[in-house]
Amino acid sequence: NAGVTQTPKFRILKIGQSMTLQCAQDMNHNYMYWYRQDPGMGLKLIYYSVGAGITDKGEVPNGYNVSRSTTEDFPLRLELAAPSQTSVYFCASSNPGQEGYTFGSGTRLTVV
Amino acid sequence: GENVEQHPSTLSVQEGDSAVIKCTYSDSASNYFPWYKQELGKGPQLIIDIRSNVGEKKDQRIAVTLNKTAKHFSLHITETQPEDSAVYFCALRGTSGTYKYIFGTGTRLKVLA
Repeated sequence: NAGVTQTPKFRILKIGQSMTLQCAQDMNHNYMYWYRQDPGMGLKLIYYSVGAGITDKGEVPNGYNVSRSTTEDFPLRLELAAPSQTSVYFCASSNPGQEGYTFGSGTRLTVV
Repeated sequence: GENVEQHPSTLSVQEGDSAVIKCTYSDSASNYFPWYKQELGKGPQLIIDIRSNVGEKKDQRIAVTLNKTAKHFSLHITETQPEDSAVYFCALRGTSGTYKYIFGTGTRLKVLA
């Protein structure tokens, strides 16, 4: 039981490049989330999903896209990377009726 | 909308002393308040939580208290140890029904040996 797996762990992008951050969970959780963590700013919700085929915007969705074609996977897509997207990205999952998120170990992204 | 403020942003204590981190919130309908610990290079991990129908909850050296009237909740760590050094986040569940959490800005706790 791996929990929530995020890849890659580190990535450096040039301005204008695109990439996909991968997130997979093996706990059969319905809900999945993407957060970004900036120094002194806590965790901000980017996008979330309550099940396969259903996604919705969080607090800071601009510049990102998501898809949820399966229960297990919830990739986050960055198009036209900007320096403001330099951050640590965390994926999390949970189930209705159960409290607490399970977080992945994060992806540290630098845009130069 | 929902908001949570967390203080202090940094906290240094001597090993064996107690540490207290406080969070205040604005939405009186919030009903679930978890605390997460984030060690260096890792994702946050749930360490304790409390529901709105309970005033205090303890788990060994950590406890959480909730004051619904004043709309604040606190994490208490007693007999601190070096391995308690980490960033701690409070959170609350939004009332939208989708289990979205609103997180505080974090407290970096340093336990000095």
